[in-house]
Amino acid sequence: SQKIEQNSEALNIQEGKTATLTCNYTNYSPAYLQWYRQDPGRGPVFLLLIRENEKEKRKERLKVTFDTTLKQSLFHITASQPADSATYLCALDGDSGYALNFGKGTSLLVTP
Amino acid sequence: EAGVAQSPRYKIIEKRQSVAFWCNPISGHATLYWYQQILGQGPKLLIQFQNNGVVDDSQLPKDRFSAERLKGVDSTLKIQPAKLEDSAVYLCASIKTGGGYTGELFFGEGSRLTVL
Repeated sequence: SQKIEQNSEALNIQEGKTATLTCNYTNYSPAYLQWYRQDPGRGPVFLLLIRENEKEKRKERLKVTFDTTLKQSLFHITASQPADSATYLCALDGDSGYALNFGKGTSLLVTP
Repeated sequence: EAGVAQSPRYKIIEKRQSVAFWCNPISGHATLYWYQQILGQGPKLLIQFQNNGVVDDSQLPKDRFSAERLKGVDSTLKIQPAKLEDSAVYLCASIKTGGGYTGELFFGEGSRLTVL
C-alpha cells in the first residue's frame, strides 16, 4: 500500500539553527512533491513544490531536496525563528488528477 | 482575491444526528476537494470535484457521507448519521487547473466537528 512517512516526534530546535524535516514514501511514483505549513486551528498553507526531475529547490530560507531513488524529500529551514513553529506536511500527487495525499506532518518548535 | 470560505467553523452534535458543511472555493477554481483531518493526522481526501462532476470519491464513506457541487461553484458535505469517529476537521480546498496550474492547493480554515 502507499505510504507517506514523516517524523512522528516533534522537532525542537534553538532559534538560528537549521531545522531539517524528513519525508519518506513507498509505492508512489510521484510527478511532484509538495510541502505545506499548518498552524493550530488553521488550514494548510502551500510552501514549495518540487518536481521529480528537480533535485533541489529554494525559496528564501526554505530548501527542499527530492531524491526519487531513495524515495525521500528533505525540508530545511535555515536561520529558524520562533515564528517558524508549526506543523509541516509533506504531500504527493495521487492517482486522480491534481489530488494530493498527505503525510501525518511533523511538529516543529523553535525556541528563543 | 478572496480565499476558500467554509462554514460553520465549529459544530458539536450528538451521535446519530446529521450535519452539513459548506464551502465556497476561490473564484475560477474548477477543482474542489473535501479532506478529513483527524487530530494528529494529515488530511485525508474524501472527495474531488471537477466543476460539478465527481472525479474521485473512493474514500468517502457513502453509507453516511454525501457531497454535492450542483452548480460547479460552492459545495456541501453532509454526514448522516454521525458517528463518534467522525469527529475531525473537514477541510475544503480548491485548485486552479488548466493554463494557470501551479500545483498549489488553497485550503479553507476548516470546519471542526465534535460528535458526542
